[in-house]
Amino acid sequence: ETGVTQTPRHLVMGMTNKKSLKCEQHLGHNAMYWYKQSAKKPLELMFVYNFKEQTENNSVPSRFSPECPNSSHLFLHLHTLQPEDSALYLCASSQLTGRLMNTEAFFGQGTRLTVV
Amino acid sequence: AQKITQTQPGMFVQEKEAVTLDCTYDTSDQSYGLFWYKQPSSGEMIFLIYQGSYDEQNATEGRYSLNFQKARKSANLVISASQLGDSAMYFCAMREGLGNQGGKLIFGQGTELSVKP
Repeated sequence: ETGVTQTPRHLVMGMTNKKSLKCEQHLGHNAMYWYKQSAKKPLELMFVYNFKEQTENNSVPSRFSPECPNSSHLFLHLHTLQPEDSALYLCASSQLTGRLMNTEAFFGQGTRLTVV
Repeated sequence: AQKITQTQPGMFVQEKEAVTLDCTYDTSDQSYGLFWYKQPSSGEMIFLIYQGSYDEQNATEGRYSLNFQKARKSANLVISASQLGDSAMYFCAMREGLGNQGGKLIFGQGTELSVKP
């Protein structure tokens, strides 16, 4: 496998369920990200992990809990979500090299989440 | 404050013609990077082109070119010879800040491009 892989591709969950989204990157990158994309809205950065350390939490509600056990894997644990949390959740990775700004982020295909 | 602004929610272009997608940005950093991504209906974000704030030449990648006007803080994407497969959402993004500070990308609202046969 190559690139960034997200599972599952689609998820329907009830408001009382607990589920997890998984992201795996095979690119040897040192930074990973979670983005939320709601309909008609720009991508919203949720979390950033840099060398497995969380460096950004963009005021995300605690019902979203990220986990980065190693530099290749990133999880988003979900519990007691609301219908407005229904969105496309995108994972990305990039290689940060200090001063260089030209390292693009590589994205997975996303998990389309529906909360009922 | 909006960091990246794309003022065109939707654009139409005739097949084989060129189209320009607008993007303006706001930053006080001297060093930053600008990116364009394409998102087809499948959802995946596909990297198209990059422009660094210190690059003197406009970036080009095949049919994509970036019209970078630093003083105006604009980074418009030009697609030449449009193809039906170019129909998608297009996002402008910016990375600011030096060093290993997360390197987060901030995205604009996107422009939906439709190519007509």
